[in-house]
Amino acid sequence: GESVGLHLPTLSVQEGDNSIINCAYSNSASDYFIWYKQESGKGPQFIIDIRSNMDKRQGQRVTVLLNKTVKHLSLQIAATQPGDSAVYFCAENANDYKLSFGAGTTVTVRA
Amino acid sequence: DTAVSQTPKYLVTQMGNDKSIKCEQNLGHDTMYWYKQDSKKFLKIMFSYNNKELIINETVPNRFSPKSPDKAHLNLHINSLELGDSAVYFCASSPGTEISGNTIYFGEGSWLTVV
Repeated sequence: GESVGLHLPTLSVQEGDNSIINCAYSNSASDYFIWYKQESGKGPQFIIDIRSNMDKRQGQRVTVLLNKTVKHLSLQIAATQPGDSAVYFCAENANDYKLSFGAGTTVTVRA
Repeated sequence: DTAVSQTPKYLVTQMGNDKSIKCEQNLGHDTMYWYKQDSKKFLKIMFSYNNKELIINETVPNRFSPKSPDKAHLNLHINSLELGDSAVYFCASSPGTEISGNTIYFGEGSWLTVV
C-alpha cells in the first residue's frame, strides 16, 4: 500500500505487504528529518532519521528515502505487521531548535 | 521506570478554570518541551526549556505558563481555560537543544477536555 500526493490521511495495507508513507516537507533549509510512530493513546516514538547529505537510510524493516530536489520524504515498511498500525509523522528540522511535524498518516493493517 | 512521565493523563474541567499538567523525565536530559496535538493530530511545539532556561516560546496565549523548577521537570499551567484548549498535551525531552542527533522522547500525553 502507498500514500500519494502531498498528504493522504489514511493508508490501508494487507498484512505482509510493504507500506509506503509519503511526506512533502516545506522548508528548503531543512537538513534533518525524522519519522515518528504514534500508537493509539500513546506519545510519538522515534523510528528513523536521515540527514540531508543522504538520500537513503535503512533500519530494521524500515527504510527512509529523501529527495531534496522535490522536497519529498518517504517511509517504507517491509512486511507490514498488525503492530505497525499507528499514525506516522514526518518531522523536519532547519538547523534551529525546533522540530516541525507534518500532518500524520494513519496506517491500518488488514489481517 | 517511565522515561518521560506526565500527570494527569486525563483531565476534564470547566471553562474559566485554572489547571496544571506536570512532567518529569528521568533520562538526565537537559532539554524539555511541551507540544500540543489537536483533534486533527497536528503536533505543534509550544515551549522548550534547556537547563531551566526558556529557549522556545511559540505564539502561545499568555494564559499558558510553563515552569521548570529543575532540568528534570517542566510543568504547564493554564489559566482561564477555554474550549479551544481541549487537546492532547505532550511533554518531551532530549539530551540537548540541537535537534539533529538528539532524539526527542515523548511522554504518553495528557488529554485535556474543557467543557
